[in-house]
Amino acid sequence: DAKTTQPTSMDCAEGRAANLPCNHSTISGNEYVYWYRQIHSQGPQYIIHGLKNNETNEMASLIITEDRKSSTLILPHATLRDTAVYYCIVSNNNAGNMLTFGGGTRLMVKP
Amino acid sequence: NAGVTQTPKFRILKIGQSMTLQCTQDMNHNYMYWYRQDPGMGLKLIYYSVGAGITDKGEVPNGYNVSRSTTEDFPLRLELAAPSQTSVYFCASSWNRALGRNEQFFGPGTRLTVL
Repeated sequence: DAKTTQPTSMDCAEGRAANLPCNHSTISGNEYVYWYRQIHSQGPQYIIHGLKNNETNEMASLIITEDRKSSTLILPHATLRDTAVYYCIVSNNNAGNMLTFGGGTRLMVKP
Repeated sequence: NAGVTQTPKFRILKIGQSMTLQCTQDMNHNYMYWYRQDPGMGLKLIYYSVGAGITDKGEVPNGYNVSRSTTEDFPLRLELAAPSQTSVYFCASSWNRALGRNEQFFGPGTRLTVL
């Protein structure tokens, strides 16, 4: 699986949009971009995923560049409960759907 | 649905002891996984299974064994506990669609300390 690069930490003001970047310059054509988050010491939670097109769900939006070498996760109105570690992962849907977790971005939402 | 459940939540072992971490899912997922997470680090895959009777090694399998006799259960066995196995262990499960969303559902974790 391709590797990803994310900033170690970010801050965001409550109520503002949180934009979390991810670089995945070695992504291959059949690999999806997945985002998970881990709140405190809980198990990771799926947020969103995409292949080529931008995606939006009730939790977030995912913007993938045209060359697919980077993406941005957007939390439109961050709340204190969004404070967590966010993981950007690239994975194909074959070979066991395995996920390779990096260090992620620690997002701190501040009042 | 209970989702993915893990037992125990916490455990302290002495060096050389053995134990089994239990994992059960009620979503009829074919795929199941075991990860470990050391403090301040991301998760690392220990073992995974693509169906009953089929298991394979992940990134850090040494010191662990697994079995998958049913779709629902995927226990992780530590035979000779070592301090290096002090970690939080997460079990997960997922579908195996060729296209689209194959999110993994994670359990709450087991916090293991080996002294």
